[in-house]
Amino acid sequence: DTGVSQDPRHKITKRGQNVTFRCDPISEHNRLYWYRQTLGQGPEFLTYFQNEAQLEKSRLLSDRFSAERPKGSFSTLEIQRTEQGDSAMYLCASSLARQGIWGNTIYFGEGSWLTVV
Amino acid sequence: GNSVTQMEGPVTLSEEAFLTINCTYTATGYPSLFWYVQYPGEGLQLLLKATKADDKGSNKGFEATYRKETTSFHLEKGSVQVSDSAVYFCALSDRTSGTYKYIFGTGTRLKVLA
Repeated sequence: DTGVSQDPRHKITKRGQNVTFRCDPISEHNRLYWYRQTLGQGPEFLTYFQNEAQLEKSRLLSDRFSAERPKGSFSTLEIQRTEQGDSAMYLCASSLARQGIWGNTIYFGEGSWLTVV
Repeated sequence: GNSVTQMEGPVTLSEEAFLTINCTYTATGYPSLFWYVQYPGEGLQLLLKATKADDKGSNKGFEATYRKETTSFHLEKGSVQVSDSAVYFCALSDRTSGTYKYIFGTGTRLKVLA
């Protein structure tokens, strides 16, 4: 396994610009998650996919945020018209969900830092 | 709704001291419980987990026991090292509540001094 990889690792953008983050999960992992983490806080759930289907979205995910997983492999998280409050680390995680198995471990990438200036 | 509460940090200990980081949870069903660790500039790594009541998770000298009666999953280590300095997150996943998302606590920073 090469692990969960995220790109870019760091992004500085001006307020009002759009940004896109990419996540490549561990191969064969069918579930993919996006979280947001600010300094001194734990990860906050944004959304998750089972294969290509987006099954749940947090109320934190405003209409400026959109996530896709078009072929059930990599995923993208786009933020439109960025605001300073969007500055955070965006974490991607993946897991292999199997029927009847509880408590699957989710594996995190190293995160993508976003700074909006 | 489901939630996780952790003790506030930072926790500062001398090397070889005993560590306890408290974690309690609220869940409507029967959650699985996790401890993750985050080193500076990195993502979260699984430290240990327990999927049912009375299970004990252990790894790298860390242990935590799933206590349903007290809704707790406290992290312990008998003798900490400087290399254990990191932020520790308690988390739960409660499939029986109809969601597969994981809920994390706010984290507890541990500093171990040589």
